[in-house]
Amino acid sequence: AQSVAQPEDQVNVAEGNPLTVKCTYSVSGNPYLFWYVQYPNRGLQFLLKYITGDNLVKGSYGFEAEFNKSQTSFHLKKPSALVSDSALYFCAVRDDSNYQLIWGAGTKLIIKP
Amino acid sequence: DGGITQSPKYLFRKEGQNVTLSCEQNLNHDAMYWYRQDPGQGLRLIYYSQIVNDFQKGDIAEGYSVSREKKESFPLTVTSAQKNPTAFYLCASSIIGTFGSGANVLTFGAGSRLTVL
Repeated sequence: AQSVAQPEDQVNVAEGNPLTVKCTYSVSGNPYLFWYVQYPNRGLQFLLKYITGDNLVKGSYGFEAEFNKSQTSFHLKKPSALVSDSALYFCAVRDDSNYQLIWGAGTKLIIKP
Repeated sequence: DGGITQSPKYLFRKEGQNVTLSCEQNLNHDAMYWYRQDPGQGLRLIYYSQIVNDFQKGDIAEGYSVSREKKESFPLTVTSAQKNPTAFYLCASSIIGTFGSGANVLTFGAGSRLTVL
């Protein structure tokens, strides 16, 4: 069965430090991977996606993600965290059976001044 | 500005009542979706539609119903058969096409929070 996992419920980072939010996946074919962000009481916003090509994908707000096929991971990264990056982050993978997204449980990112 | 409008933002339901959540988009997207979000869980797909007058069940369709009479509108009814309806409901839309073209890049509304009294 296809699935996606976000092993950390919460990540705490000091402002200015690099951040990583982890995501691992399990799919039967080629993975189509996505990151979305949700601010409190709001809908989700698309950050970036990996379909094919370079393993390092750049997205919105200075975020990037590294695709690692051997480790079946797609970790979200940012070189220097901002307090405004504090939010809930979701990783998702495409379900090959119906082409819909399968979502991770989300990781709460807290950036402390 | 183009976007998705969900209403109402907050809704309270008594036991045994049906309630309808509105979702309207002016992005000219063909596909529309309804998700349910519960604390500590990822989004779960309720229904989706790729064309007017057609829709498919998602993973948790029981106790919910939808219609797609217009491209712009995709209302969700939470029926009395849904035993645990208290949740945050999110509507989304997207284009349809190959994945390099932007399919699965969803635009979300701000959500509707339903509470059962």
